[in-house]
Amino acid sequence: KAGVTQTPRYLIKTRGQQVTLSCSPISGHRSVSWYQQTPGQGLQFLFEYFSETQRNKGNFPGRFSGRQFSNSRSEMNVSTLELGDSALYLCASSLDNRGLRSSYNSPLHFGNGTRLTVT
Amino acid sequence: QQQVKQSPQSLIVQKGGISIINCAYENTAFDYFPWYQQFPGKGPALLIAIRPDVSEKKEGRFTISFNKSAKQFSLHIMDSQPGDSATYFCAAPKGGYQKVTFGTGTKLQVIP
Repeated sequence: KAGVTQTPRYLIKTRGQQVTLSCSPISGHRSVSWYQQTPGQGLQFLFEYFSETQRNKGNFPGRFSGRQFSNSRSEMNVSTLELGDSALYLCASSLDNRGLRSSYNSPLHFGNGTRLTVT
Repeated sequence: QQQVKQSPQSLIVQKGGISIINCAYENTAFDYFPWYQQFPGKGPALLIAIRPDVSEKKEGRFTISFNKSAKQFSLHIMDSQPGDSATYFCAAPKGGYQKVTFGTGTKLQVIP
């Protein structure tokens, strides 16, 4: 079974631009969440989606948004990029077939991330 | 506001030695406690997880010890190998659904 796939692997953008990152979850997984990883802040939760609905959102500005499609694939968008947005953006999926909490039997599985550099 | 405190930040262990990483949490309403392993250029991969009703779980050279009363859990890597050199994160699901709070990470280096 293929793992979580994120595209592109690397992106270089300039301040003020916007960017869209893509995530394909493991087949059969219905929940997708996004995390930002930086050396200073570690892994920080951005948001999560289930059945095309955002269920939870972290403490990030409105410039960060996302969506999930009917096939569970997800995209996240960052508008008006700032230098501080440079980070590894990770997508994770989980089975979550009952729409419940992350559990022992339905842990998160991460992709290898998109490395975003803002210059 | 940090909900999961992880230590040490970095760790150097000789090949064959025992690596120990500790985590402490604040909230009691967690369903499970996973550990993730991350190699450079890769995403975190689930290494081992434990339910809160179990005090210890062992998988190969990796063991999680869980102390519910102290709100602590730790990862022990027995017979550490250079291939274990990676960053390890403890985590706890918080806030419902799939949101997980991660520790700050421990960079482990196993030297020959």
